[in-house]
Order: sequence, then C-alpha cells, then structure tokens
Amino acid sequence: QQQVKQSPQSLIVQKGGISIINCAYENTAFDYFPWYQQFPGKGPALLIAIRPDVSEKKEGRFTISFNKSAKQFSLHIMDSQPGDSATYFCAASESGAGSYQLTFGKGTKLSVIP
Amino acid sequence: KAGVTQTPRYLIKTRGQQVTLSCSPISGHRSVSWYQQTPGQGLQFLFEYFSETQRNKGNFPGRFSGRQFSNSRSEMNVSTLELGDSALYLCASSLEGRGMHEQYFGPGTRLTVT
Repeated sequence: QQQVKQSPQSLIVQKGGISIINCAYENTAFDYFPWYQQFPGKGPALLIAIRPDVSEKKEGRFTISFNKSAKQFSLHIMDSQPGDSATYFCAASESGAGSYQLTFGKGTKLSVIP
Repeated sequence: KAGVTQTPRYLIKTRGQQVTLSCSPISGHRSVSWYQQTPGQGLQFLFEYFSETQRNKGNFPGRFSGRQFSNSRSEMNVSTLELGDSALYLCASSLEGRGMHEQYFGPGTRLTVT
C-alpha cells in the first residue's frame, strides 16, 4: 500500500519557470511533511518541511503548500535554475507513533533546461 | 558541524555472503534510522534506533539487522545476501526532542551483490 503518492514522475522546466510537484497521502495521522532533494551519488538533503497547522511555508525560492482537507501537499520552486536539476522526494511521518519513520513518495526527477 | 558519515561508500559482495555497514550520526543526535533505496521500490524504511534500542522496524526479512552503540553510532548487517539486496543503503540521524522530526541523511553505502 503506497501511503504517499507523488506526481509527476519526471518534469522538464525552462530556466526561470516554476516547478510544481504534488503529493497526496492517505494516513490522517501524518503530521510532519518534509521535502528532500537528491543529486546523483548523494544522499537526500532536507529542503523544507511543514506541519498541518499551517497552509504554506516559504524558504527562499521553495514553497510548500498544504491542503489538510484534501490530504495533499505540493512543492513549488520559483525561478527554477539548472542547478535545481535533481530528484525530489516528498515524505510524511507520524509523531504520535513514537518513531521518526519517514514514508516517502516515489520521487520526481526535475530537469531545468537553460 | 560534520554531517552523517557512512562507511564504506561502496561494496561489492557475492550472493550468500554477509555485510556490515556503519553509520556515525551528527554530533549530539541520538536517533539513527536506516533506509534502503532502489530504483524500483524507492526509499524504504528498514529500522530506527534510539539509546541503543530498536524502536521501530520496517517490513524486511530477518536477514536485515542492526544495532546502536552507546556513542550513538550504528551498524546494520545483512546476512545471506541476495541479488535483490543490491541497493543504496542510507542512514539518517535526528536530534531527539519535542517536535524535532528533522532527519539528516548520509551519503549512503552503495552495495552491489553479484
């Protein structure tokens, strides 16, 4: 059972454009939603995270939008740059479970072309 | 502050052998989690340790085991290796505390089973 569904699988964006990646979850007990960025040969790097008590969080060019009723959240990358080309993963965890276990989406490979 | 370190970075083993991977968390982090990353299954949770105790385990066979030492360093072991165990094994550490969910990943150990 895939508890976090991520789309699209791949995304090509022009430099300067907006990249949008979407995730949907099933477990309503999830209360922490991070996004990770992974470059080839590297481990995932924590990019930005949100909790369900806020609908939006912005850090620089990266914004998370969260819709609790729809059980969806998305990552927006403004002014996308070639250096943003990487694989992005959404994830979720449940603090009440007494564990930090992350459930990941399948990932989105982003290519930003000049 | 140094990040999560994992050794070795690359390993080639033969089917039927066993392997031990090592992880040193960020200084001060007491929680360590392990994940397996493959192209087909994505990032999957293996287990989580805190204060030398396993507090959560993913859906993997008993051939996969781990432990944590008093200095928070962790090791995972895979016995009787199978071809399907070829993957990137990632370790993540977390700072234990109220609301502290952030997990920081190491570069991973690339295991190839032939």
